[in-house]
This record gives sequence, C-alpha cells and structure tokens, in this order.
Amino acid sequence: EAEVAQSPRYKITEKSQAVAFWCDPISGHATLYWYRQILGQGPELLVQFQDESVVDDSQLPKDRFSAERLKGVDSTLKIQPAELGDSAMYLCASSFGERNTEAFFGQGTRLTVV
Amino acid sequence: GENVGLHLPTLSVQEGDNSIINCAYSNSASDYFIWYKQESGKGPQFIIDIRSNMDKRQGQRVTVLLNKTVKHLSLQIAATQPGDSAVYFCAEILMDSSYKLIFGSGTRLLVRP
Repeated sequence: EAEVAQSPRYKITEKSQAVAFWCDPISGHATLYWYRQILGQGPELLVQFQDESVVDDSQLPKDRFSAERLKGVDSTLKIQPAELGDSAMYLCASSFGERNTEAFFGQGTRLTVV
Repeated sequence: GENVGLHLPTLSVQEGDNSIINCAYSNSASDYFIWYKQESGKGPQFIIDIRSNMDKRQGQRVTVLLNKTVKHLSLQIAATQPGDSAVYFCAEILMDSSYKLIFGSGTRLLVRP
C-alpha cells in the first residue's frame, strides 16, 4: 500500500542549530502539505504545495522556516535556527489534487529542541 | 474567521456502545468537512467527509451529521470497539484559492472494556 514517507522519525537538536525534514508523497499526488502538531493540539498548516508551487504559506514563520518542492515530488522543510518552541511533531500529507478531500499523512518527525 | 473547535476534549465509552463526537465550526464558506482519526505515534487517518450541501453521510460503522444552521458537525461511531480508541479531529476545507485543509483541536475517545 502506498504511503507518505517521512524522515527522520525522531530528531533532537540544540537550539540555534539547523534542522531539516524530508517528505516523499504518494506517487501522483500533486498537493503536498506540511503541518506542525504540538502535543494535545490539532495539526497546524505551515505550507501547502500544488506541484512545485507554494499555494499557501501564510502560517509559515518565514524568518526561520523554509520549504521547497523543487521537482514537484518530494519536499524538504528546514528550520534555521531552531528554537525551543519549535519542539513538535512535523507531519507531511499529500492528496491527488486541490479539490480532493482525502489527504494521506506520513508518520511524522518528532522534533525536540534542547 | 477560520475556526474549527470541539466541545469535549475526552470522551469515555463502554465497548459496544455508540459514540458521538461533536465539533463546532465558524466558517460558513467551508466546502467540505472531514473527520480524521489519529492513533498514538501516527499521522491522522481519513475517516469520512461530508460536503457542505449535505446533512448526513454514512460509512462503515460511522455516520457524519452536518447542521449548517448551528454550524455543528458530529461523528457517530456505532458499536464502539477498543480499536476506535484514538484522538478524533474534525477538519474543514476552505473555499479560497488554496483550498486549505484546517484542523480543529481534537477529542480523545477512550473505549472501556
């Protein structure tokens, strides 16, 4: 069964360091989402891609976060420098297209900033 | 504004009983409402969706009801099983240019044996 792949599963980093997360969506899925989920809360949308284009990054802290999906397939989310408050689960999801309601999620990357 | 919230943070039910998880929303422009299930250590999993022009939709053991008058959404799970224990999120897809998928804060469902 096709899955959204994310790596690493867990990451511990010191504050002020750089960290990157990788996501490989399900083949053929044009829409890719990055979410941040703080324990006990719902996922918060950080950035949404349609193919290689960013269609929404209004909630992405652009002073330290960046995201790219250069060839419209896999994607990388970067944080530089990391802050203690960035500790969270970072989830990637994909769907066939903008008007498809079923998004498939990866298992996430658990980030701990110390 | 964009706000999908939930009435109860935790719901405890007896195995075999029916569960009802509620959600309130504030954005009348939402086109679809969706329920996701998230088990510990995993990403959310799609359960069922309902279009805004519908009142009810049924799936396997699940029913979603939409009341647009009071902006209320519910998920009914029939004959709740231990495997249903998880956090349930309602989410909405907003009808703007980006068709964003926005989540609420979740309800934890605990199934007692």
